[in-house]
Amino acid sequence: AQSVTQLGSHVSVSEGALVLLRCNYSSSVPPYLFWYVQYPNQGLQLLLKYTSAATLVKGINGFEAEFKKSETSFHLTKPSAHMSDAAEYFCAVSRSRDMRFGAGTRLTVKP
Amino acid sequence: GAVVSQHPSRVICKSGTSVKIECRSLDFQATTMFWYRQFPKQSLMLMATSNEGSKATYEQGVEKDKFLINHASLTLSTLTVTSAHPEDSSFYICSAAGTSGETQYFGPGTRLLVL
Repeated sequence: AQSVTQLGSHVSVSEGALVLLRCNYSSSVPPYLFWYVQYPNQGLQLLLKYTSAATLVKGINGFEAEFKKSETSFHLTKPSAHMSDAAEYFCAVSRSRDMRFGAGTRLTVKP
Repeated sequence: GAVVSQHPSRVICKSGTSVKIECRSLDFQATTMFWYRQFPKQSLMLMATSNEGSKATYEQGVEKDKFLINHASLTLSTLTVTSAHPEDSSFYICSAAGTSGETQYFGPGTRLLVL
């Protein structure tokens, strides 16, 4: 079975500060990993995905994530937070189209 | 590309009635569509997976006779909540995957309120 764990249900940063959202996965086979963002009352928007190519994946809106097999991690980062980044972020693992989500991390950006 | 729409975005119905939610892939053929349910401040829970032209596969604990799923074409899947009750009130989100790859593209969601 595969699963993801997101460490920290709520992360608060100041505008302009580094954003770090943590995700660890568990999978018996090489996983496909995803980060999605959800704004209030909306669906999920794909930020980036890892599909066994480059371990450092760049996504939209300045986000990137690094796949570290030794640490079974896929943390999401952004060098400088913007107010518009405030949202709920979900890490997900998928194999054979069976996608499992983490519990989500709510990002708050303070002015 | 990879746009998924849902209709309606919000629906209020009386207890005992049925509600149909449509999920469409607008610019790609979705061989597989997924239906999720999301409670406030919680993650997404997969309800069922449907492949075009086949019966849906339901997750454990999801009543297939209550949540009817139809995937009649490569661009349309419908979820019908039959005999809705207040506990069915939730945010329902669909997603779609194309002919290859693991990526799921999500619709904007439908908020259902059963009175």
